[in-house]
Amino acid sequence: DVQMTQSPYNLAASPGESVSINCKASKSISKYLAWYQQKPGKANKLLIYDGSTLQSGIPSRFSGSGSGTDFTLTIRSLEPEDFGLYYCQQHNEYPWTFGGGTKLELK
Amino acid sequence: EVKLQQSGDELVRPGASVKMSCKASGYTFTDYAMHWVKQSPGQGLEWIGTIIPLIDTTSYNQKFKGKATLTADKSSNTAYMELSRLTSEDSAVYYCARGAFNNYRVMDAWGQGASVTVSS
Repeated sequence: DVQMTQSPYNLAASPGESVSINCKASKSISKYLAWYQQKPGKANKLLIYDGSTLQSGIPSRFSGSGSGTDFTLTIRSLEPEDFGLYYCQQHNEYPWTFGGGTKLELK
Repeated sequence: EVKLQQSGDELVRPGASVKMSCKASGYTFTDYAMHWVKQSPGQGLEWIGTIIPLIDTTSYNQKFKGKATLTADKSSNTAYMELSRLTSEDSAVYYCARGAFNNYRVMDAWGQGASVTVSS
C-alpha cells in the first residue's frame, strides 16, 4: 500500500495568514492526490483533486501543488472557517490511502 | 442538494454483526460510486471499499475483505455496509462518501458518520 505522510501534525495560525500543509507519498502517485477538510459537526469536504484541481464551490484561497511523491496544500489569507483537520488521499492506485491528518488551529 | 444520511450510532457486542445504511438524495444514485471509510478514535481515515450501484460491483481494501460487505438498494437509493465478527478494533466512526462523477476515486460528498462501539 502507498503510505501517505503529512506534515506538520499541528499548525497554529491567525486569520489573514497563509499556511502550507505537506503530504508525502511512499512511491510516485503521479498527480493523483486529493485534499479534504474535516470539521466537527460538518460533513467532510473535498477541496482539491488531481493534485491541483479546485473542487467546485471551494474558495480560490485554497490551492494544491506537487506531483510524484511531494504535494502541498496552501491556504492563503486564512478565514475563521478554515480551522480544522486536513487530510490528503492518494487516488492513484488501490487501496486508496489517506495521510494521518494535520490540525490547523487558531493561534 | 446532495445529501447522504447515515443510520444512527450503534453499540454492539463482540462477535456480533452490524449493518449500517446510507440514504442518498439530491442526485441520481446509480450514476455514482459509493465509498465507505473508517475513522478509528484519534486516528486518520481508511478506505474500506467501494460499490457501484448501477452494476452492483464492489471492490475492497484487502484489509477489510471478510470484515465488510457492501450492498446497495437501487429502489430506495440506499447503500449498506455490514461488518461481521466485531471486535474492539472495529470501534470507529464509519462514513459513506460519494465518488465524484468525473473521478470516482475521489469523494465529493460525505455522510455525517455513524459511530460503532463494540463492547460487552
